[in-house]
Amino acid sequence: DGGITQSPKYLFRKEGQNVTLSCEQNLNHDAMYWYRQDPGQGLRLIYYSQIVNDFQKGDIAEGYSVSREKKESFPLTVTSAQKNPTAFYLCASSAQGSTTQQFFGPGTRLTVL
Amino acid sequence: SQQGEEDPQALSIQEGENATMNCSYKTSINNLQWYRQNSGRGLVHLILIRSNEREKHSGRLRVTLDTSKKSSSLLITASRAADTASYFCATVPLSGSARQLTFGSGTQLTVLP
Repeated sequence: DGGITQSPKYLFRKEGQNVTLSCEQNLNHDAMYWYRQDPGQGLRLIYYSQIVNDFQKGDIAEGYSVSREKKESFPLTVTSAQKNPTAFYLCASSAQGSTTQQFFGPGTRLTVL
Repeated sequence: SQQGEEDPQALSIQEGENATMNCSYKTSINNLQWYRQNSGRGLVHLILIRSNEREKHSGRLRVTLDTSKKSSSLLITASRAADTASYFCATVPLSGSARQLTFGSGTQLTVLP
């Protein structure tokens, strides 16, 4: 988990509310990613950003939004439009121009009440 | 979309035995990576094998890649109870965004003491 922090670790939300998950990295990585993981399943890409002020939709972007105003930060907002938001959310980063590994944060578990 | 599929979905072995997990994928790749996830935690990168490599070792880990069969295997030798975790393969495509990883659904390994 070194170098990437996510907060909070657990988050509870009422239906109809937007919530924002924080992701910060101090690895000086250009690229950052958000994944969603459901129980017993792999990771699915929500959004990714290869450079500040630019981001791209992943496979399951509907109901989510992101911003990338700073290199170190890539917050994810889960909007009320996301029909089934209860899941484990993982943030990751990687070096620009590289096809090597991604570094992951510890994750945020979101539960909609 | 899930590029990689791991087999088996779950594996239970005794401490000291070897554990083998397989991964199959669909499209041409730049490289294939294996990650480990302890329950409720982020992912940790284990090993990367490039498309022009056939075998790679790291400590007790051995990874093979067969691009003609679009498959890879991860062997953990002399397993320990601490190896209990989920293991995921992830592929980087040959074309398109070089930094997008596509994950499989994972193998849950349990090592019994």
